Amino acid sequence: RKEVEQDPGPFNVPEGATVAFNCTYSNSASQSFFWYRQDCRKEPKLLMSVYSSGNEDGRFTAQLNRASQYISLLIRDSKLSDSATYLCRQPGGSYIPTFGRGTSLIVHP
Amino acid sequence: NAGVTQTPKFRVLKTGQSMTLLCAQDMNHEYMYWYRQDPGMGLRLIHYSVGEGTTAKGEVPDGYNVSRLKKQNFLLGLESAAPSQTSVYFCASSYRENTEAFFGQGTRLTVV
Repeated sequence: RKEVEQDPGPFNVPEGATVAFNCTYSNSASQSFFWYRQDCRKEPKLLMSVYSSGNEDGRFTAQLNRASQYISLLIRDSKLSDSATYLCRQPGGSYIPTFGRGTSLIVHP
Repeated sequence: NAGVTQTPKFRVLKTGQSMTLLCAQDMNHEYMYWYRQDPGMGLRLIHYSVGEGTTAKGEVPDGYNVSRLKKQNFLLGLESAAPSQTSVYFCASSYRENTEAFFGQGTRLTVV
């Protein structure tokens, strides 16, 4: 079982919709998590860091639920340009940060 | 500030050939990583390094070797390329294990 699990999707939503992804993790000792965005054939780039208090940046909100061991990413007012794959990353206690396989988002007109 | 630079960006190899992928970072990061990404498989860690002179195996190390002789460079070697090693390879670095990782632009390798 992979340490970090994500629903691969694709999530197919209209412009303006609100969409949320979850990422479950197994290492309960982790204090920080990260959401990355990856466009087709490009490298992943950091979208948001997630700590115990959560994080909000414009239309994007990330939260951490320690009791259920998952992090979430909420995107409000989706834009066409939000279409991408979203990867979550959990730093590992054994020095091996683990990525989920990614969730594909398609925003259509 | 270049960040993380990978060379080459594209390469086609014949089965059995060898090659070395170079990753260079100018952010004075301690941690460096090599990943491969295949359709539907996400990012899989090949090898990583927690500092100059150190290397360790990741999830899928077989068929690859690495070296970290200088802090800023992390080399990935394929001694005898196989078609199963056709993939996109990403290098990344981070200051600490639990800090943001920065990625290179990737190397698209095809083994025929």
